[in-house]
Amino acid sequence: KAGVTQTPRYLIKTRGQQVTLSCSPISGHRSVSWYQQTPGQGLQFLFEYFSETQRNKGNFPGRFSGRQFSNSRSEMNVSTLELGDSALYLCASSSPGLAGSTSTDTQYFGPGTRLTVL
Amino acid sequence: TQLLEQSPQFLSIQEGENLTVYCNSSSVFSSLQWYRQEPGEGPVLLVTVVTGGEVKKLKRLTFQFGDARKDSSLHITAAQPGDTGLYLCAGGSLVAGGTSYGKLTFGQGTILTVHP
Repeated sequence: KAGVTQTPRYLIKTRGQQVTLSCSPISGHRSVSWYQQTPGQGLQFLFEYFSETQRNKGNFPGRFSGRQFSNSRSEMNVSTLELGDSALYLCASSSPGLAGSTSTDTQYFGPGTRLTVL
Repeated sequence: TQLLEQSPQFLSIQEGENLTVYCNSSSVFSSLQWYRQEPGEGPVLLVTVVTGGEVKKLKRLTFQFGDARKDSSLHITAAQPGDTGLYLCAGGSLVAGGTSYGKLTFGQGTILTVHP
């Protein structure tokens, strides 16, 4: 099976611009999670989508948004970029078990998109 | 808020030595995953443990999940230069229904350097 793919791998933007990142999950995986990784804060959860619905959200401002399509592909958008948004953005896919089960929710990560805001 | 404390932050050892990385929390997790990450790449899954007291072995790597599912350890025997990297532990949250709804809580990571 092909792994999680993310495009683009690298992006350079200036403050105030907006950016859209794309993630294609492993075939058959319906859950996509997004994380921001920085040297100071480590990996922080942004949000998770399952069947085109956002089920969970981390503590990030409303400038960070996302969506999921019917084929499970997901995009995240950051508007009005700030210098502090420079980070490695990672998406991960999983195949959750049934609610109430002891599903491991094991997540498989893509290579990430390195965003630099100047 | 669930937190995972990972220690040590840095490890610099010689080839052939053994090491242990710890991951501790005051919270109970539904599962615990260990990843290894290379610079500029995404984390690569090493193992998932779900049962309290569970021990899994992957060649020279041994993973343990605490009985109370609040802590975990990664032990590497006879480390090799190829083991160099950032090691991350991540816990799945207990949310209604027993699923974590896609949120993993990560430790700060351990940067391991194995010198030849």
